[in-house]
Amino acid sequence: EDQVTQSPEALRLQEGESSSLNCSYTVSGLRGLFWYRQDPGKGPEFLFTLYSAGEEKEKERLKATLTKKESFLHITAPKPEDSATYLCAVRRGSQGNLIFGKGTKLSVKP
Amino acid sequence: DAMVIQNPRYQVTQFGKPVTLSCSQTLNHNVMYWYQQKSSQAPKLLFHYYDKDFNNEADTPDNFQSRRPNTSFCFLDIRSPGLGDAAMYLCATRTSGRSTGELFFGEGSRLTVL
Repeated sequence: EDQVTQSPEALRLQEGESSSLNCSYTVSGLRGLFWYRQDPGKGPEFLFTLYSAGEEKEKERLKATLTKKESFLHITAPKPEDSATYLCAVRRGSQGNLIFGKGTKLSVKP
Repeated sequence: DAMVIQNPRYQVTQFGKPVTLSCSQTLNHNVMYWYQQKSSQAPKLLFHYYDKDFNNEADTPDNFQSRRPNTSFCFLDIRSPGLGDAAMYLCATRTSGRSTGELFFGEGSRLTVL
């Protein structure tokens, strides 16, 4: 069964304290791994798509990497405005539907 | 400018009273999705449209139905809401053409069932 597991469930950091979020997946025929940011009471906002092992994408303080079994979202020197829930999703099948993980809730304190 | 617009943002209904949530998009995307998201849970796919073709997830309750009268609009109907249907309902779109394949989400409609 296709599955996406994110860890930790919650992460509290001090401003400037770098860390990583993990997304492990089991899916037959991966057709893309997606990272989204979700602010409270809002819809998810797209961050990155990764397609193949070894691929990396960067945006400001965020960097996403992909292996054959997992993806990491690295946050360098986070700021309070980076506080949000980060969702990982994998795309499967010809219909291209996304399967989401439960997310990691990140809190960055000043 | 908002590209995927959901209405209402907040909906309060009584147990068993039908509810309709709407989604409109200005992206001209041919694929539209409805997700249900409960607190601290992963968004769960209810159904999606590939053009006019409707696809129902196997575990979507019969209580949930959808309509897509044209490319721009999609509706989610909950015929007899129960307490367990209280959630955020997310509409999303994507193009099946050349793209990175990401979904564009609306702000969501939060449903409360009393």
